Amino acid sequence: QSVLTQPPSVSAAPGQKVTISCSGSSSNIGNNYVSWYQRLPGTAPKLLIFENNKRPSGIPDRFSGSRSGTSATLGITGLQTGDEADYYCGTWDSSLSAGVFGGGTKLTVL
Amino acid sequence: QVQLQESGPGLVKPSGTLSLTCAVSGGSIRSSDWWTWVRQPPGKGLEWIGEIYHSGSTNYNPSLKSRVTMSVDKSKNQFSLNLSSVTAADTAVYYCASGTHYSTTWYFDYWGQGTLVTVSS
Repeated sequence: QSVLTQPPSVSAAPGQKVTISCSGSSSNIGNNYVSWYQRLPGTAPKLLIFENNKRPSGIPDRFSGSRSGTSATLGITGLQTGDEADYYCGTWDSSLSAGVFGGGTKLTVL
Repeated sequence: QVQLQESGPGLVKPSGTLSLTCAVSGGSIRSSDWWTWVRQPPGKGLEWIGEIYHSGSTNYNPSLKSRVTMSVDKSKNQFSLNLSSVTAADTAVYYCASGTHYSTTWYFDYWGQGTLVTVSS
């Protein structure tokens, strides 16, 4: 069981918007920055968002991140079939002194 | 741009030691990055194994700490993972990654392609 909680799956139609939640506690999300990763089938994870809401160079602004209290959210607008992937949130847990990930959310673009 | 490449045996016997190496190119292992191992068992999510700085400082997942050793070879610009007393539960795709870890910031911007390690007799 993961320290961070994500919905197992979400789905939406092409062109629509979807949000993926990541719930934690004060020892992790509440006091440390959150990052988000996209894992396309058969490929390594790719950094989408770091420090809650910053995008690395090359990541389109269709991807956004936010944090409120002990939860974080990844938003994806203008959905494309190429966005079908598993998405993971991650952060440091100060109590565990360890990195933690969510269980992952499978995005289906219908 | 930093590139990472994992190498090591794809099959390890139960109770044996899993040993992987990650070669770093396009950057120096002496940089300010933390060098990290993450794994993904079949059908499961990502699990952080641990990280090492070029100075030798380490942080390990508490659930694996008793079995994990990481090291850095500055002369070869690579870092390594040893996981002892493996069982079938250690079967996974193992990724190496480079990350940023300071204060409240922790994330990975470069990843290796991953290597499947199967624990089986």
